[in-house]
Amino acid sequence: NAGVTQTPKFRVLKTGQSMTLLCAQDMNHEYMYWYRQDPGMGLRLIHYSVGEGTTAKGEVPDGYNVSRLKKQNFLLGLESAAPSQTSVYFCASRADRGHGYTFGSGTRLTVV
Amino acid sequence: AQSVAQPEDQVNVAEGNPLTVKCTYSVSGNPYLFWYVQYPNRGLQFLLKYITGDNLVKGSYGFEAEFNKSQTSFHLKKPSALVSDSALYFCAVRGSARQLTFGSGTQLTVLP
Repeated sequence: NAGVTQTPKFRVLKTGQSMTLLCAQDMNHEYMYWYRQDPGMGLRLIHYSVGEGTTAKGEVPDGYNVSRLKKQNFLLGLESAAPSQTSVYFCASRADRGHGYTFGSGTRLTVV
Repeated sequence: AQSVAQPEDQVNVAEGNPLTVKCTYSVSGNPYLFWYVQYPNRGLQFLLKYITGDNLVKGSYGFEAEFNKSQTSFHLKKPSALVSDSALYFCAVRGSARQLTFGSGTQLTVLP
């Protein structure tokens, strides 16, 4: 079933370690987004991309970096993980003229 | 900047009874409003959207939402709740750069 695929689904990191979360979509969507979900806070936008080679900061970008080298992939990097980055991370994509977002199933990250 | 408020963290309703999940918004210009549902350990699924036109919007799984411009509200409704409707519901508004801003979510529990 096509859509948005996130890898990995689960990960435990030690404080200070780095990792990259991968988001891949096969719908030829222009826009891609990374959100984090924390209890009682809904989803907060980390970074987003309006097309291949472009990225922009969202509401909570500190401690994260992103890259969109290929249209279908949007990578989220944590250079030096902190316990405050323990969260569930969701990737989403949207077509240029579309209104609805398609979400991945999420990555549950725990930083100890 | 746009914002969304979901005043109820939890809504309980008996199966077969009507349900309402409340949402109010703040945005410059015409509002583009959305409802998403999240089942445990899953990503968000699109339910319905308001872009323009009729104030009563019909969506998936028998849900509908009523747009009220004067009250800046976009409440989610269903005439007869099912136990399978139990999930986390998010209201969202589309703002600048076309990204969605989400509310904090409302946990709906339908009691058998």
